[in-house]
Amino acid sequence: GQNIDQPTEMTATEGAIVQINCTYQTSGFNGLFWYQQHAGEAPTFLSYNVLDGLEEKGRFSSFLSRSKGYSYLLLKELQMKDSASYLCAVYSGAGSYQLTFGKGTKLSVIP
Amino acid sequence: DTAVSQTPKYLVTQMGNDKSIKCEQNLGHDTMYWYKQDSKKFLKIMFSYNNKELIINETVPNRFSPKSPDKAHLNLHINSLELGDSAVYFCASTRARGETQYFGPGTRLLVL
Repeated sequence: GQNIDQPTEMTATEGAIVQINCTYQTSGFNGLFWYQQHAGEAPTFLSYNVLDGLEEKGRFSSFLSRSKGYSYLLLKELQMKDSASYLCAVYSGAGSYQLTFGKGTKLSVIP
Repeated sequence: DTAVSQTPKYLVTQMGNDKSIKCEQNLGHDTMYWYKQDSKKFLKIMFSYNNKELIINETVPNRFSPKSPDKAHLNLHINSLELGDSAVYFCASTRARGETQYFGPGTRLLVL
């Protein structure tokens, strides 16, 4: 089966750095995505990792280790607008390329 | 222009009714999806179509029936609505399987 774990909630201070971890166990692997979802809105794409290493995109970075089944999303210089849920999602193979989502991490940024 | 659109945005209806939700994408994508997000915010795949062909059909009651008249449209029809069907339903599309999925704004369904 597919299993994706991430913390349920996190709190961090404006201007700080926060790391949101994700571990996965899936049958096959074809890439890992991070999505941001503000309350009442649709998920929006943040980052994609298919090879090991760090992908940087402005204030957001995402890291992948396929051998450990592990990823993290790093958010720097936190802003109040970063308060949202962050969803880790993995494409498993077996031909269907099904995207399986974790339950999301609700991040609250406080002044 | 909206890339992935859904109608209606809100749907309030009585138990036992039949309703449809429509999705359209103008991105030229080949693959479209329906997801259900429950009250605990867990996003779960329901169906996927690739070029009008059903490729993913998760364990979903057969009261739910997707239809793809062409690759830009994916509709979801729900028969005999139940209280537990209350959720937000998201449509998504991707250029090809394995690539980034883009989500519509969601349809908030409330069954009374």
